Amino acid sequence: QVPLQESGPGLVKPSETLSLTCAVSGDSMTNYYWSWIRQSPGGGLEWIGHVYHTGIVNYEPSLQTRVAISIDTSKNHITLKLTSVTAADTAVYYCARVRGSGRGGSLASWGRGALVTVAS
Amino acid sequence: DIQMTQSPSSLAASVGDRVTITCRASDDINKYLNWYQQRRGEAPKLLIDASSRLQSGVPSRFSGGGSGTDFTLTITNLQPEDFATYYCQQSFSVLWTFGHGTKVEIK
Repeated sequence: QVPLQESGPGLVKPSETLSLTCAVSGDSMTNYYWSWIRQSPGGGLEWIGHVYHTGIVNYEPSLQTRVAISIDTSKNHITLKLTSVTAADTAVYYCARVRGSGRGGSLASWGRGALVTVAS
Repeated sequence: DIQMTQSPSSLAASVGDRVTITCRASDDINKYLNWYQQRRGEAPKLLIDASSRLQSGVPSRFSGGGSGTDFTLTITNLQPEDFATYYCQQSFSVLWTFGHGTKVEIK
């Protein structure tokens, strides 16, 4: 297990940008994929996207126009930005390290999650 | 997108029971299927990857199988700590998708 810690504002206003950081401790970020997943209250898991240490990204198509995931290996963190948020974006947001690659991989290590509420 | 359909959405079982959860993919995903357990208030935990590979530390009462479009997660001799929600997830496509989850409740 790799310690992962999500952080960011717990409350975001509608139409604004949600921004979260996932800090990775105790391990190099190189040669890994890193994912963001979210879970709405009482709902299931939704994959948001993942980023490779080189910066290559893949996004869930329904979020693609609003989402950006980036990686900073010098600071050992991954960032999630989601623009033009609505109440439907209220969720617990998890970051996770992928074992394997973007194809055939699995989410082997998870952070504890960060609850983000979208409300005015 | 590849759609993942889990069934049942919930089930009630007793300690010691054997339960089976199924997951069906809308397209052939070979064996690129993972299973996660999520207890209430916790982050998900990887149980099985590549359809049947049990993760280190996961009890042997958990097993997975299947390939192509049809997969199963079986729990034999259900224990109190197994009451949780289980999710399947495909990684055949670079665009990953989860099933909607199966909640295993105490009868």
